[in-house]
Amino acid sequence: DTGVSQDPRHKITKRGQNVTFRCDPISEHNRLYWYRQTLGQGPEFLTYFQNEAQLEKSRLLSDRFSAERPKGSFSTLEIQRTEQGDSAMYLCASSFSERGLFEQFFGPGTRLTVL
Amino acid sequence: QKEVEQDPGPLSVPEGAIVSLNCTYSNSAFQYFMWYRQYSRKGPELLMYTYSSGNKEDGRFTAQVDKSSKYISLFIRDSQPSDSATYLCAMGSQGGSEKLVFGKGTKLTVNP
Repeated sequence: DTGVSQDPRHKITKRGQNVTFRCDPISEHNRLYWYRQTLGQGPEFLTYFQNEAQLEKSRLLSDRFSAERPKGSFSTLEIQRTEQGDSAMYLCASSFSERGLFEQFFGPGTRLTVL
Repeated sequence: QKEVEQDPGPLSVPEGAIVSLNCTYSNSAFQYFMWYRQYSRKGPELLMYTYSSGNKEDGRFTAQVDKSSKYISLFIRDSQPSDSATYLCAMGSQGGSEKLVFGKGTKLTVNP
């Protein structure tokens, strides 16, 4: 079990550019979550997938954000026309929803800095 | 009122002390409760998971949930400098996305 992995770990971009992050969940986990964490705050929910279906999106997820999980495996989170307010740590978590298990396991995060 | 309240600290204790970390919440639908440890610039690491009320112990860590008071606690016995981190409480309810709602985190420093 290699855990949740995220790539890249750090991304510095200029305002207005597009960025894409990747998350690989724990292999048998059918649920995948994206959260965003800013300095001094706890993670905030952005969106989640059950298998390949995106089933819920937070109001925090503006139209500039899009997430996909093709074939129910890895997921990507794209931010278009980045703004300085998008600077944050983007965290991915996965869980196995069967048998009443609710624990979510997080990856190391992608730290985004928008200049 | 935020759904989950957690004192951000910082909290500084000597090595070997018993540490008590707490969160309160307002949503009575929350059924499962977790504590995560987060080192600087790293992802959260799951420490303890509790479903409904009661206590759970794992080594030096004890998690308590009092649903009647909407209050959860994490106790760390014989604290070590390696326990220095930010501790996040998180909770959720069954059904739907089962997304987690987090507290702000409490920054703990254990001094040798």
